Amino acid sequence: AQKITQTQPGMFVQEKEAVTLDCTYDTSDPSYGLFWYKQPSSGEMIFLIYQGSYDQQNATEGRYSLNFQKARKSANLVISASQLGDSAMYFCAMREGHTGGFKTIFGAGTRLFVKA
Amino acid sequence: GAGVSQSPSNKVTEKGKDVELRCDPISGHTALYWYRQRLGQGLEFLIYFQGNSAPDKSGLPSDRFSAERTGESVSTLTIQRTQQEDSAVYLCASSLVGSGTDTQYFGPGTRLTVL
Repeated sequence: AQKITQTQPGMFVQEKEAVTLDCTYDTSDPSYGLFWYKQPSSGEMIFLIYQGSYDQQNATEGRYSLNFQKARKSANLVISASQLGDSAMYFCAMREGHTGGFKTIFGAGTRLFVKA
Repeated sequence: GAGVSQSPSNKVTEKGKDVELRCDPISGHTALYWYRQRLGQGLEFLIYFQGNSAPDKSGLPSDRFSAERTGESVSTLTIQRTQQEDSAVYLCASSLVGSGTDTQYFGPGTRLTVL
């Protein structure tokens, strides 16, 4: 069964506007972590933001915020004030289990295009 | 400090040959992961190492794939009798267990092309 689902293969956003990239997950483990990574055309994987299952508040990192809705099992990434450099693939990932390097599952990704 | 490094950056080989891919994790990181990323697709988990524990090999696609790690340092991923479907970018990541988030930091990858 698919554990991480990103339903948007591609998204377009106008420069300076906000965009939400969707991610839903499936787990029965009460302890898990959710990650978002950015992969530009250069191929490197860049860590953006993390949300723990027990975190009470939504994670924020600069222009990135994670809209964590635990009951719905969704962890959408919100990018505010989009920039041309935000054009890239974005991957949502989940690590099940307590901290300790458990296996991480990645979604299929969403390609974001930022228009000038 | 230095990030995760991988070598070679590119590898072209002929079908049936063996290849070895190397990963140097961030110093002090106890966990190390290998992933495969086929063109235009997401990351496919292959294997992970954590300290002296037995590695989680559940993602290895066949017995042609194997990996080793010496202590908490270098890891090598070996693919024997390569097939064309093995062509992909192989990404390595490391993380510091107990850091709270255990965020994985990735290397630049090795692009493997099997002719």
